[in-house]
Amino acid sequence: DAGVTQSPTHLIKTRGQQVTLRCSPKSGHDTVSWYQQALGQGPQFIFQYYEEEERQRGNFPDRFSGHQFPNYSSELNVNALLLGDSALYLCASCRGRETQYFGPGTRLLVL
Amino acid sequence: AQKVTQAQTEISVVEKEDVTLDCVYETRDTTYYLFWYKQPPSGELVFLIRRNSFDEQNEISGRYSWNFQKSTSSFNFTITASQVVDSAVYFCALSEAILTGGGNKLTFGTGTQLKVEL
Repeated sequence: DAGVTQSPTHLIKTRGQQVTLRCSPKSGHDTVSWYQQALGQGPQFIFQYYEEEERQRGNFPDRFSGHQFPNYSSELNVNALLLGDSALYLCASCRGRETQYFGPGTRLLVL
Repeated sequence: AQKVTQAQTEISVVEKEDVTLDCVYETRDTTYYLFWYKQPPSGELVFLIRRNSFDEQNEISGRYSWNFQKSTSSFNFTITASQVVDSAVYFCALSEAILTGGGNKLTFGTGTQLKVEL
């Protein structure tokens, strides 16, 4: 039974560029959440998708957008990258509002 | 607003020592969930436990135990006879229990780095 998978594992971008991160939920899960974890900090909630709709959003600017596909997989898009967007981006999945299980994350470095 | 505080930034112990990681939370909700996650150097958050706010019974799972005290808004985690493999960052988290609509976002503390040495 595959867990949550994310791609790519690492990414290097320059300021102003755009990036897309991908997440496949654990089998049987229909809800996907995205978190940003800066170095030495706890994860910060970005948004959550359920039934292809954004169900909840954290305190992040509109540069951060997402999408959920019919197969429950999800993408996180970040436009106009800033140096401060450098972080570990974690995807979590769950069924409904049950316990969230996390993927290995994507490490984004913005130069 | 919800808030989770983990005052211990880093703890170092010698193998076989017992260690307790503290977690204090704030919420206006009467129904909520508390969690502990482990983050090894690889980065993936590993789920350890989820507790409902109505269930204050302490729980033990092998060398791990959790003490939930609603009166002091604390949810502390104890590792008995620590091992080197326990070295990781441990996060306490909180989510509100939404019955209809809304999501179940997690609010995390800043984590406690546990180092277990031989």
